[in-house]
Amino acid sequence: DIVMTQSPDSLAVSLGERATINCKSSQSVLYSSNSKSSLAWYQQKPGQPPKLLIYWTSTRQSGVPDRFSGSGSGTDFTLTISSLQAEDVAVYYCQQYYSLPITFGGGTKVEIK
Amino acid sequence: EVQLVESGGGLVQPGGSLRISCAASGITVSDHYMDWVRQAPGKGLEWLGRTENKVTSYTTEYAASVKGRFTISRDDSQNSLYLQMNSLKSEDTAVYYCARRSVGMDVWGKGTTVTVSS
Repeated sequence: DIVMTQSPDSLAVSLGERATINCKSSQSVLYSSNSKSSLAWYQQKPGQPPKLLIYWTSTRQSGVPDRFSGSGSGTDFTLTISSLQAEDVAVYYCQQYYSLPITFGGGTKVEIK
Repeated sequence: EVQLVESGGGLVQPGGSLRISCAASGITVSDHYMDWVRQAPGKGLEWLGRTENKVTSYTTEYAASVKGRFTISRDDSQNSLYLQMNSLKSEDTAVYYCARRSVGMDVWGKGTTVTVSS
């Protein structure tokens, strides 16, 4: 199984500041057919289901604000919130969909400082 | 509007069985890969399994933690997905979500809660 490791477990960021979440996969999740990594990011607010933010490492899902961006390659990936808003308080998960079983990172809780 | 609605959760004794449902609207379940994911209280997300679409003959795959105990099925006439859970354990207590898989899981239901306790 591919193990997804997120860091940090939590972070507190001031409104308007940048938040950076890291995700590392235990092996490459590069999909050779399109040369993109099979890595997605989700946002989960309390009492709600997860919401897909980004797929193929850096492609934003329709309707996701452009302050959310994804980057990375190989086994190291990053989700960046460029200017944190109050509504971004949530837990964020990375996920690999390269191979079964699909696996998620442990989550990163983002709070306002 | 695309919507998934889970139902059928509840309290069940250890060793018991339960079937939960996922009713779809705005999409045709048979056209899509569909996943089941759960979240134990205060914990992260765990993929349980998926059923593929008619193109791949509805192949199902399961996580090791539930293989042999859980079964995914679908009823195209009801446009619904099901998760049959047998030999339930206390560690199966969680919110259970169904989700559509396109690239990533782009549509999720609100979840149904399963509590395994005596």
